Amino acid sequence: QKEVEQDPGPLSVPEGAIVSLNCTYSNSAFQYFMWYRQYSRKGPELLMYTYSSGNKEDGRFTAQVDKSSKYISLFIRDSQPSDSATYLCAMSPMDSSYKLIFGSGTRLLVRP
Amino acid sequence: GAVVSQHPSWVICKSGTSVKIECRSLDFQATTMFWYRQFPKQSLMLMATSNEGSKATYEQGVEKDKFLINHASLTLSTLTVTSAHPEDSSFYICSARDRAEKLFFGSGTQLSVL
Repeated sequence: QKEVEQDPGPLSVPEGAIVSLNCTYSNSAFQYFMWYRQYSRKGPELLMYTYSSGNKEDGRFTAQVDKSSKYISLFIRDSQPSDSATYLCAMSPMDSSYKLIFGSGTRLLVRP
Repeated sequence: GAVVSQHPSWVICKSGTSVKIECRSLDFQATTMFWYRQFPKQSLMLMATSNEGSKATYEQGVEKDKFLINHASLTLSTLTVTSAHPEDSSFYICSARDRAEKLFFGSGTQLSVL
């Protein structure tokens, strides 16, 4: 079993839809959670990071962590075609970005 | 935000040759840099952690004699793939950690070994 599981997709939605991206994990020591966006043949770009359980909102993006269920989510409101990319969840057992464990990524396609 | 520059963005080489990839932090000092490899439709796999002025720490299964890492300054780390073979063809990405411990990624290098 992988430490971090993420549905590879692809997930196809119409423009303006609310997108929900999810990851599950098995290591209860994870306490630092991040979401990255990666365009094809580019390096990942940090979108959101959260500590422990709870919600964090930044513009159209909301990151949610449920430690009791070992489940994290990224919601994208009013999705745009430019949001089409692969979204990677990542987490660390320390309160740091050191040595992140990545999910396999979910490919998102937002149709105009 | 902080910028990490990675060069080259793509390289094609013959089997048996060596290839060097550079990773630079442009506007901050990075005491620690990381090197990842990513195969198509797969996630990033950490290869090694590079600390300025000391030897790199390699992840299990990564050959340190094949993937030479040098972190000679606070803004530059290099990865040299020695005696490259077709199975080394992959997307290589570096990242650098700033003093606030945020991680920033380079744009990646696509290596194709013929």
